[in-house]
Amino acid sequence: DIVMTQSPDSLAVSLGERATINCKSSQSVLFNSNNKNYLGWYQQKPGQPPKLLISSASTRESGVPDRFTGSGSGTDFTLTISSLQAADVAVYYCHQYYTTPLTFGQGTRLEI
Amino acid sequence: QVQLQESGPGLVKPSETLSLTCSVSGASISSSTYYWGWIRQPPGKGLEWIGSVYYSGGTYDNPSLKSRVTISIDLSKNQFSLRLSSVTAADTAVYYCSVSTDLYDPLDYWGQGTLVTVST
Repeated sequence: DIVMTQSPDSLAVSLGERATINCKSSQSVLFNSNNKNYLGWYQQKPGQPPKLLISSASTRESGVPDRFTGSGSGTDFTLTISSLQAADVAVYYCHQYYTTPLTFGQGTRLEI
Repeated sequence: QVQLQESGPGLVKPSETLSLTCSVSGASISSSTYYWGWIRQPPGKGLEWIGSVYYSGGTYDNPSLKSRVTISIDLSKNQFSLRLSSVTAADTAVYYCSVSTDLYDPLDYWGQGTLVTVST
């Protein structure tokens, strides 16, 4: 299984400041034939299902504010929130869909 | 937009079988475009992929669940289902159904989730 490890486990950031969440996979999730990283980021607020923010490591989903940016390739990935808003308080998960079993990071709790 | 809704008992006894159904609207479950999946989340913990099913009935599941999982599809009702046998307290979780455009694609849409508690 591909193990996804996020850091930190929790993070407190002031409003308007930058938040950075890291995700490391135990093996590469880059498919060489199409140069695509099979890595997504989700946001989960209390009592709600996860919401897909970013796919292919860096492609923002429709309607996702541009303050959310995904980067990285291979085994090391980052989700950056450029200017934290109160609405961004949530738990964030990375997810590899390169191979089954599909796996998720343990989550990073983002607080203000 | 695809909408998903889980349904089933909220309480299951240990050693029995957990059964859940996901009703789909906004898309045809018989479409070759989608894979339909189940994910669970124990209270206060992270996400675990249980498995996925294709319109043809082909299934893919997580070996960690040791063959306790059966995922099936009902084309006539536009639904798919999960059965998890021999449950224990460790199977207590919020169970989500989801959809993706390929098995190796992110999970685009999720149901609201349903809490299943395993207890006597």
